[in-house]
Amino acid sequence: AQTVTQSQPEMSVQEAETVTLSCTYDTSESDYYLFWYKQPPSRQMILVIRQEAYKQQNATENRFSVNFQKAAKSFSLKISDSQLGDAAMYFCAYRGITQGGSEKLVFGKGTKLTVNP
Amino acid sequence: NAGVTQTPKFRILKIGQSMTLQCTQDMNHNYMYWYRQDPGMGLKLIYYSVGAGITDKGEVPNGYNVSRSTTEDFPLRLELAAPSQTSVYFCASSYMGTGANVLTFGAGSRLTVL
Repeated sequence: AQTVTQSQPEMSVQEAETVTLSCTYDTSESDYYLFWYKQPPSRQMILVIRQEAYKQQNATENRFSVNFQKAAKSFSLKISDSQLGDAAMYFCAYRGITQGGSEKLVFGKGTKLTVNP
Repeated sequence: NAGVTQTPKFRILKIGQSMTLQCTQDMNHNYMYWYRQDPGMGLKLIYYSVGAGITDKGEVPNGYNVSRSTTEDFPLRLELAAPSQTSVYFCASSYMGTGANVLTFGAGSRLTVL
């Protein structure tokens, strides 16, 4: 079974600085998708960025980028020029396959990011 | 578009009571999911559906039931509520269920069983 591990329960960053959140996963599949979701205090799950495993190029969305190391099964999220609104729980997720053959997401336990003014 | 709408947002139940969490999506998504999020944890899949009339169990289905009579609706029923079911519940949907199509989540329903 696929697993996702986020080893940093909490992280903090100064406003305008850069922070990197770590994620590792375990799978025997060769093709899959990886995601970072943001969950602010409102509880809404918001997609931050996604990476397709067959693409070597790291995904980027404005101030958010990933460092995808397929061989190491590592998928870290870098947030540049951190803003107060970036404060939230961040979840790494892997797209796995259920027994029925359909998609499901496997989530890590999350990293709580605090942004200090 | 409203996206994925969950009701109620908050509910307190007594042990042994039953209730239904409602989920509706207006995006014509064929895949729908129910997840639960326990404190300090990520989301775990309870049930999912790949289309009207088709449902299947996820990781933690015990104590729950679902039905999918229409494309839009995917209610989650709790029978004989237990304190272990205290959690935040998220409904989500996606189109075709491929990784290229991202899950859209509802705002969550916080359930407390006392």
